[in-house]
Amino acid sequence: AQSVTQLDSHVSVSEGTPVLLRCNYSSSYSPSLFWYVQHPNKGLQLLLKYTSAATLVKGINGFEAEFKKSETSFHLTKPSAHMSDAAEYFCVVSARNSGNTPLVFGKGTRLSVIA
Amino acid sequence: GAVVSQHPSRVICKSGTSVKIECRSLDFQATTMFWYRQFPKKSLMLMATSNEGSKATYEQGVEKDKFLINHASLTLSTLTVTSAHPEDSSFYICSAGLAGRSGANVLTFGAGSRLTVL
Repeated sequence: AQSVTQLDSHVSVSEGTPVLLRCNYSSSYSPSLFWYVQHPNKGLQLLLKYTSAATLVKGINGFEAEFKKSETSFHLTKPSAHMSDAAEYFCVVSARNSGNTPLVFGKGTRLSVIA
Repeated sequence: GAVVSQHPSRVICKSGTSVKIECRSLDFQATTMFWYRQFPKKSLMLMATSNEGSKATYEQGVEKDKFLINHASLTLSTLTVTSAHPEDSSFYICSAGLAGRSGANVLTFGAGSRLTVL
């Protein structure tokens, strides 16, 4: 079975400082990994995805994540936080390694950005 | 890009009534759609996989008679919460996707439907 563990339920940073949201995964095969963002009372938006290509993945809004197989990690980073980044972030792994399959979500990390 | 539309975005109903939530793929055909439930301040839990033209596949612990799923066409799946009770109040999200060129799925999510049962 596939699973993800988001190590922090809440992260608070000051505006303009770096963001690090940690995620470790468990998978019985080469995983597809994603980060989604959810703003309050909104749906989910895909930030970036890793699908066995480049290990450093660049996403939208300046976010990026690095797939490290040796550490089974897929941490999300951003050099400089913006107030609009405050949201819930989910690390996600594909449930099966085939086609159109459901996703397994981590418990989420709430990012707060302090002015 | 792929767009998934979900309706209604918010619904309030009385206990004992049934509520239908629609999930539409607007610019692509989705043979498979997924229904998730999100409790307040919690992660998303997969409820069921909706397959066009066949019965839905429910995850363990999800009552199929309570949460009726119909995937009548390649662009529409519906979730009906039957005889709703306050504990059914939640945020329901559907998703659908296309297999990517790399073979990995990329799912697009609807904006979600917040159900409040009084």
